[in-house]
Amino acid sequence: DSGVTQTPKHLITATGQRVTLRCSPRSGDLSVYWYQQSLDQGLQFLIQYYNGEERAKGNILERFSAQQFPDLHSELNLSSLELGDSALYFCASSVGAGDGYGYTFGSGTRLTVV
Amino acid sequence: SQKIEQNSEALNIQEGKTATLTCNYTNYSPAYLQWYRQDPGRGPVFLLLIRENEKEKRKERLKVTFDTTLKQSLFHITASQPADSATYLCALEGDSNYQLIWGAGTKLIIKP
Repeated sequence: DSGVTQTPKHLITATGQRVTLRCSPRSGDLSVYWYQQSLDQGLQFLIQYYNGEERAKGNILERFSAQQFPDLHSELNLSSLELGDSALYFCASSVGAGDGYGYTFGSGTRLTVV
Repeated sequence: SQKIEQNSEALNIQEGKTATLTCNYTNYSPAYLQWYRQDPGRGPVFLLLIRENEKEKRKERLKVTFDTTLKQSLFHITASQPADSATYLCALEGDSNYQLIWGAGTKLIIKP
């Protein structure tokens, strides 16, 4: 157990639908990062939150949004889902933001859009 | 733009030998570089971080070097075991927003 909890582990949904992925960071970590990894592809950075505020954005589609709550857990909302959104979605956390410490990743949510 | 290159072909190593993986980068001088291990369907696991003023770092059977002149990091696993088989990712600090820039990873296969 890495200390980062992601739910659900698996999600199957239809095109056009909306889903919410949830992440609880490791205790003490203030930064949360969301990544997308498609089959046999590299990690694509989506967005980072630090202590409740958006810190950096990557290649996140307008159909996707995220937030970090006061208790530091984060949610990634994916809407108007397309077949190409099928992927593993990882959440990671770190102590600070850009401080050079390693990230702790969750076990991911596997999203399948049919 | 910044670019990271890792060997895209799988690396096959005999058990007991030293495995060496390469990470090359261009167009940037990162303050630090990280190595992660990823098993299929699992999240990456942080292994080592090396800073620009460090030439080498060790952790048990792992060793990382960082050559800022060559813009290259080498990741070594000594006395390799089949359990070391995984994909290894390097990541370096980007030049904007302190985000990590990730390599595509090298798949390592240790044969008994």
